[in-house]
Amino acid sequence: AQRVTQPEKLLSVFKGAPVELKCNYSYSGSPELFWYVQYSRQRLQLLLRHISRESIKGFTADLNKGETSFHLKKPFAQEEDSAMYYCALRTGGGNKLTFGTGTQLKVEL
Amino acid sequence: KAGVTQTPRYLIKTRGQQVTLSCSPISGHRSVSWYQQTPGQGLQFLFEYFSETQRNKGNFPGRFSGRQFSNSRSEMNVSTLELGDSALYLCASSPEGARDTEAFFGQGTRLTVV
Repeated sequence: AQRVTQPEKLLSVFKGAPVELKCNYSYSGSPELFWYVQYSRQRLQLLLRHISRESIKGFTADLNKGETSFHLKKPFAQEEDSAMYYCALRTGGGNKLTFGTGTQLKVEL
Repeated sequence: KAGVTQTPRYLIKTRGQQVTLSCSPISGHRSVSWYQQTPGQGLQFLFEYFSETQRNKGNFPGRFSGRQFSNSRSEMNVSTLELGDSALYLCASSPEGARDTEAFFGQGTRLTVV
């Protein structure tokens, strides 16, 4: 069965510091991985997906199949990055997403 | 383009009752998925409907059911409510085609069982 692990419930960093939100997955097939973000009082929304290898709001994530990881990184944290971040794995046919438990990122001034 | 709309936003029900939640997807999206979000378990997949057929199902008891109409709107029903069913229920719609398809989420329905 597929599984997504986000080991940190809360990550607190200072503004301007680097950020790394960890995500590990377990899946025997070819994974499709995403990062979703939920800002305060807003709906859950896509941040980025591994296939497009894009950088959104300064965030990047690289899929490492050897380590089964998809960590989210940003070189310099901004106050507006404070939010709840979820790593998600899409498997099989259809749009079923398996989410990690989420990491609350708090950027302090 | 209107986003995913869920109604009602808030519900209070008594243990043993049943409840129906509604989700209107983004126009043109035929896939609708439902998730339960709780502080303890996080986001858990309930089921997905595509073209009026259940395409995927999560590990929830049979008290949780859903359906999809020809206009892609979806409903989920929970019968014989238990206190543990108190949660935020999220609906997501997705377009078809691309491998890395994005899920668009609604604001959710907050269900409280007393």
